[in-house]
Amino acid sequence: DTAVSQTPKYLVTQMGNDKSIKCEQNLGHDTMYWYKQDSKKFLKIMFSYNNKELIINETVPNRFSPKSPDKAHLNLHINSLELGDSAVYFCASSRGVEGWAYEQYFGPGTRLTVT
Amino acid sequence: DAKTTQPNSMESNEEEPVHLPCNHSTISGTDYIHWYRQLPSQGPEYVIHGLTSNVNNRMASLAIAEDRKSSTLILHRATLRDAAVYYCILLSGSARQLTFGSGTQLTVLP
Repeated sequence: DTAVSQTPKYLVTQMGNDKSIKCEQNLGHDTMYWYKQDSKKFLKIMFSYNNKELIINETVPNRFSPKSPDKAHLNLHINSLELGDSAVYFCASSRGVEGWAYEQYFGPGTRLTVT
Repeated sequence: DAKTTQPNSMESNEEEPVHLPCNHSTISGTDYIHWYRQLPSQGPEYVIHGLTSNVNNRMASLAIAEDRKSSTLILHRATLRDAAVYYCILLSGSARQLTFGSGTQLTVLP
């Protein structure tokens, strides 16, 4: 039973397209996150979201937007894809609205390649 | 913009203890110290976290300095499966620019 799942695992698309990555957690957690891991393996948080608050990393372009249809899902929409968006994107979740106080569970990642 | 500093790499022999250091001299009072590890082509895996006191769990121990400006992850008996990149990060409600550092690549020798 996968705790945090992401689809698709691989995504290849062209510049200028709009794409979405889906994330689901079956842990009953209150807070979900999106991270970006670049080619140098640096892992940077993009968003954290619970039912009360969306915290946005101020360095994230507004072409990226998280959308949460319910507590178990946090999808990532990316508009007008650019070459620099190529990276591995990880979804994560943690319990509690103060998610930083608890352990995070990560999904397997989605490798996005923009050509 | 990482707020933690770790050695790039460390080696350990199998079944020996490993002490992975992390410096976080600018830690604030509300920052939790988290450790995660990542194997190739996998998502990060939680190891341990703490605020002020030392912590133990089935995977590891976390020793936090009294001034909280440094911490050490202790793997009591390294196995080959512990070979991974270990990240020490600070998390708090104000984590609006959180970046994992480059981490420590742990190599476990048989």
